[in-house]
Amino acid sequence: DVKVTQSSRYLVKRTGEKVFLECVQDMDHENMFWYRQDPGLGLRLIYFSYDVKMKEKGDIPEGYSVSREKKERFSLILESASTNQTSMYLCASRDRGYGYTFGSGTRLTVV
Amino acid sequence: QKEVEQNSGPLSVPEGAIASLNCTYSDRVSQSFFWYRQYSGKSPELIMSIYSNGDKEDGRFTAQLNKASQYVSLLIRDSQPSDSATYLCAVRIGGNQFYFGTGTSLTVIP
Repeated sequence: DVKVTQSSRYLVKRTGEKVFLECVQDMDHENMFWYRQDPGLGLRLIYFSYDVKMKEKGDIPEGYSVSREKKERFSLILESASTNQTSMYLCASRDRGYGYTFGSGTRLTVV
Repeated sequence: QKEVEQNSGPLSVPEGAIASLNCTYSDRVSQSFFWYRQYSGKSPELIMSIYSNGDKEDGRFTAQLNKASQYVSLLIRDSQPSDSATYLCAVRIGGNQFYFGTGTSLTVIP
């Protein structure tokens, strides 16, 4: 089975901190994604990457950046955390022709 | 206009009944369609994919796609309490990006 691993299940950070969310997949997938999920708003795409060092903005990239230095790892960076970035963050990877496989999620609280 | 729409529910069905979940999408060039199940506090899990018009069956699950009417549905036969979850519809519209509905909450009553 494809495994997508997110480094933290729960995080609490202070406003203004720089936050790193890590995601690793073990199936050599080219495509990786970062979503946030909020009640009533569903899943919203922040950034995605289709190759090493390549990135594309999703629907809500403001306040975020990403890094993909290796194929298996896709990092989401909150440059200066704010309370409106409190959310569930989901990483996913995908092979061509198939659906997403999601990581277990990181519930981030910014205080 | 939202790309993918689902009734948020909650939808309640008795154990053993058929649960019917519906999803409509706005883009006629949509190519691939997926249903995910998400238990409370967990991440979404892929349960069905469908790419062409008609029905696709997998165990107790049947996905139905009608591209002319731009809807996709999921039927769950012999519903079990363990099926209680939120079901997300996802649509791939070209490229790699998927669009998700906000999900339908299903409760199966024992």
